[in-house]
Amino acid sequence: EVQLLESGGGLVQPGGSLRLSCAASGFTFSNYAMNWVRQAPGKGLEWVSGISSSGGTTYDADSVKGRFTLSRDNSINTLFLQMNSLRVEDTAVYYCVKPAALAAIGVVRNAFDIWGQGTMVTVSS
Amino acid sequence: EIVLTQSPGTLSLSPGERATLSCRASQSVSSSYLAWYQQKPGQAPRLLIYGASTRATGIPDRFSGSGSATDFTLTISRLEPEDFAVYYCQQYGTSPITFGGGTKVEIK
Repeated sequence: EVQLLESGGGLVQPGGSLRLSCAASGFTFSNYAMNWVRQAPGKGLEWVSGISSSGGTTYDADSVKGRFTLSRDNSINTLFLQMNSLRVEDTAVYYCVKPAALAAIGVVRNAFDIWGQGTMVTVSS
Repeated sequence: EIVLTQSPGTLSLSPGERATLSCRASQSVSSSYLAWYQQKPGQAPRLLIYGASTRATGIPDRFSGSGSATDFTLTISRLEPEDFAVYYCQQYGTSPITFGGGTKVEIK
């Protein structure tokens, strides 16, 4: 079964840091670009960051550029999102997502067929 | 970036009725790279449609997508009880990818 399992969310003060992880199983992780999408409470979906299959190229939304760093370790099938200088507006459920093989036209230009269960990040004093 | 506007915000219908959801883009979506997702409370979104009209694996044929350029539609031919949820469109033809604000389909 194809599965993505996020961890690392929690409560952090403004200006603090968190590192999210996403453990992948059931597919050849190293063949796929991977992305994070977030959803603020009661709001819609927002793309956050994407990384190429090798990890050599990353892309970030303007809202997180310079603060979030996406990386991956293909030897352990895991994706990481290092979040620094967190703001109240970063409060959201963060989803790790896999592109649909037939709807993937770039590192970030994809439709996503597999979503993790999400991990909640709350930034509050 | 491409802004996607979904309408209506809420659709109140009864089981068995037809649902028509609209997604309008602020500029043309490249090669109809448009997807639709369904999200139920407390769950992650589920991919329904990609390429504007291709159903994802395991999606029932009562779901259909159509449209091109700036106007796209998701149609649910006969609503089943499990179809009451929030639906999002997404364009992935131009970076950054963007999502619409969602349409909630609720039981009338």
